[in-house]
Amino acid sequence: NAGVTQTPKFQVLKTGQSMTLQCAQDMNHNSMYWYRQDPGMGLRLIYYSASEGTTDKGEVPNGYNVSRLNKREFSLRLESAAPSQTSVYFCASTRLAGGPDTQYFGPGTRLTVL
Amino acid sequence: GESVGLHLPTLSVQEGDNSIINCAYSNSASDYFIWYKQESGKGPQFIIDIRSNMDKRQGQRVTVLLNKTVKHLSLQIAATQPGDSAVYFCAENKGGFKTIFGAGTRLFVKA
Repeated sequence: NAGVTQTPKFQVLKTGQSMTLQCAQDMNHNSMYWYRQDPGMGLRLIYYSASEGTTDKGEVPNGYNVSRLNKREFSLRLESAAPSQTSVYFCASTRLAGGPDTQYFGPGTRLTVL
Repeated sequence: GESVGLHLPTLSVQEGDNSIINCAYSNSASDYFIWYKQESGKGPQFIIDIRSNMDKRQGQRVTVLLNKTVKHLSLQIAATQPGDSAVYFCAENKGGFKTIFGAGTRLFVKA
């Protein structure tokens, strides 16, 4: 099992450009999450998907959209990138659809917006 | 407000010694606590968890202690090894999908 995979690993964008971060898990997990990690701060939840077909906002959803394409895949889209979105983005998944559960994280995407 | 904090941003220990990483939480409604390890350039990796109906839980070389009276969580690593060098996060969950993560403590292991 590859676990949680993310693409790309690195990306540099210019202000105003758009891009989609891809995430996939092969553990048959029900719930998936997108976080951003900034220096000196804990992981902050952008969006999550409790189960296939549902998505909900987290703590910092502005400037992002998500799609739960199927049970395996959960993508994060930046429609018009801004320098404030420079960060490391992590995708995670949990087996349970609801309630606290161990989160399995991908390796991250390091995004720089110039 | 809700927060999960750490007492020390960095911790340096000698190889073979025991390490103790501390964490404070503010939400008394939280009932699930997790410790993650994050190595440089990688995603966080689950270490151990504990539920609020427990005070202590042991894993392989790691122990988590929960003191609900003072809202304190600690991670103890026995016989610290160079491979333990990483950033350690505590996190809390009060049910549902939203987990609150602390900023992390960087552990340095001196050979």
